[in-house]
Amino acid sequence: EAGVAQSPRYKIIEKRQSVAFWCNPISGHATLYWYQQILGQGPKLLIQFQNNGVVDDSQLPKDRFSAERLKGVDSTLKIQPAKLEDSAVYLCASSFGASGRYEQYFGPGTRLTVT
Amino acid sequence: AQSVTQLDSHVSVSEGTPVLLRCNYSSSYSPSLFWYVQHPNKGLQLLLKYTSAATLVKGINGFEAEFKKSETSFHLTKPSAHMSDAAEYFCVVSDLGTASKLTFGTGTRLQVTL
Repeated sequence: EAGVAQSPRYKIIEKRQSVAFWCNPISGHATLYWYQQILGQGPKLLIQFQNNGVVDDSQLPKDRFSAERLKGVDSTLKIQPAKLEDSAVYLCASSFGASGRYEQYFGPGTRLTVT
Repeated sequence: AQSVTQLDSHVSVSEGTPVLLRCNYSSSYSPSLFWYVQHPNKGLQLLLKYTSAATLVKGINGFEAEFKKSETSFHLTKPSAHMSDAAEYFCVVSDLGTASKLTFGTGTRLQVTL
């Protein structure tokens, strides 16, 4: 089966610019996650969707980050305006359900560099 | 609150020798514990998971981990390292009380030398 797809794979922008990332989860997976992985650290959950509703966005910096999952399939994560500290790899993951017994499948990530 | 501590940021072993990557966890509820591997420029892949069944968990590629509640540990082992095992390894905890929210450790980079 096809895995989680993300694009672009790499992005370089200047601070104060905006950027958007796209994620296509595995077909049939109701739960979608966005993680931020800063160099040298483990991934940190930014937002979790169940279908097209938000389950957890407690660690999403809402003054500059936004995410949506229209129609409960694809999702986009936007940063506006970007700061230097947003440089990181942004990982998308999906799972069949929200229960911890369902494995999360991760995409290859988008590496963002803010200069 | 849930957290994990990976005790070594970098481990180097020779090919054919045993691997031990150490992880301690903290959890308010009965935890689920996972080990993920991340190869360069590739997505995270689940190696194995513990979800309150057998305390010795076997995963892919010959890896296994043992859940020790008394020591709050979930160390990852492999009897014989292979060059292809070189990667970043993450210990991860999920509380039943927080559904599927995963909390990652800071990672251990495994280097395998000839």
